[in-house]
Amino acid sequence: GAGVSQTPSNKVTEKGKYVELRCDPISGHTALYWYRQSLGQGPEFLIYFQGTGAADDSGLPNDRFFAVRPEGSVSTLKIQRTERGDSAVYLCASSLEPGLSDTQYFGPGTRLTVL
Amino acid sequence: AQKITQTQPGMFVQEKEAVTLDCTYDTSDQSYGLFWYKQPSSGEMIFLIYQGSYDEQNATEGRYSLNFQKARKSANLVISASQLGDSAMYFCAMRDTGGFKTIFGAGTRLFVKA
Repeated sequence: GAGVSQTPSNKVTEKGKYVELRCDPISGHTALYWYRQSLGQGPEFLIYFQGTGAADDSGLPNDRFFAVRPEGSVSTLKIQRTERGDSAVYLCASSLEPGLSDTQYFGPGTRLTVL
Repeated sequence: AQKITQTQPGMFVQEKEAVTLDCTYDTSDQSYGLFWYKQPSSGEMIFLIYQGSYDEQNATEGRYSLNFQKARKSANLVISASQLGDSAMYFCAMRDTGGFKTIFGAGTRLFVKA
């Protein structure tokens, strides 16, 4: 079946602009995660959704970052007033249901470049 | 606080040989899960293997096995019979009952030589 998809694959924007990154999880997966991966580092947790609600948003770096999942499927990560330090690959993952051992399936990521 | 440490930035292995990638972790929880992921140059994270803290036996998945030493808080990945396609970044990760976040290490880049 189809895996996790993310659009766009690449996004170049200017400092101060607003961007939206989209994640389409595997059908039927209730849990959805956003991570940020900077060059040469491991993924860094941003936010976790169970269904439509953000169950844990403790990883969002500041109030410029916001994410929604209005119908419990597709999620959008929104970044306001982008800064050069926001440049990274943004990864989305989904899993069937949350749990200690749940396997997260990752999308290909969106590479964000802020000029 | 949770922490994952991978001390090997890069590793080389000869094709068909076995290689061990090191991972140590820190958590105050008794119940936690440990994961290994592979990230090829294409960028997609691929799940390899899982070990629960209460699992009595080391996890194995094909050519991958996890050498779990709970007292030492280590969860090393062993890849047997390395193949050229194993060349990639490998990340160790952990989740505990403190929340739903998964914490990743900095990764080890594996190079398999023909």
